[in-house]
Amino acid sequence: GAGVSQSPSNKVTEKGKDVELRCDPISGHTALYWYRQRLGQGLEFLIYFQGNSAPDKSGLPSDRFSAERTGESVSTLTIQRTQQEDSAVYLCASISDSTDTQYFGPGTRLTVL
Amino acid sequence: AQSVSQHNHHVILSEAASLELGCNYSYGGTVNLFWYVQYPGQHLQLLLKYFSGDPLVKGIKGFEAEFIKSKFSFNLRKPSVQWSDTAEYFCAVDGYNKLIFGAGTRLAVHP
Repeated sequence: GAGVSQSPSNKVTEKGKDVELRCDPISGHTALYWYRQRLGQGLEFLIYFQGNSAPDKSGLPSDRFSAERTGESVSTLTIQRTQQEDSAVYLCASISDSTDTQYFGPGTRLTVL
Repeated sequence: AQSVSQHNHHVILSEAASLELGCNYSYGGTVNLFWYVQYPGQHLQLLLKYFSGDPLVKGIKGFEAEFIKSKFSFNLRKPSVQWSDTAEYFCAVDGYNKLIFGAGTRLAVHP
């Protein structure tokens, strides 16, 4: 069956530009997460969506970061005025209500020059 | 604040050697614990998880982990590693609505 998909797989951008990353969760998964993985580090929680509840934005590192999700479908993570320290792999995960387990997408590797 | 510590950042083993990767967490409440694996060029995959019950959890590919509540530990073990186990391993705790990950352990298995 289809897993979590993310696009683009790689994104190279210039400092100061805005980028938008997309996540398609597994159908029927009500919860969706965004994480960031910097080189040589573990995963860093960014934001969490659960159904129609207000998202948990406690992990967003600055107001340049924002994310949206329409219902229980696609989510987009937007980074405005990108900085070099934003370079990382951005991972999306959706969670099965029945197994309470997160399933990860392949990630988007963002490089800010 | 919740945190997860993985003591070994890099581990190098020969095939057939035994493996134990340490994981300690700090969280006072009920926890769900996970080990994820990321093979080279692939995305994160669930290796095993502990929610409740038997503290010795068996996962895929011969891996197991033991939850020791008194030590706040959830160490990953495998009695005999293979070259194909070369990957990065992440321990994670789910305290409330989010996974908190350790920094990861890179395992290299030499034939």
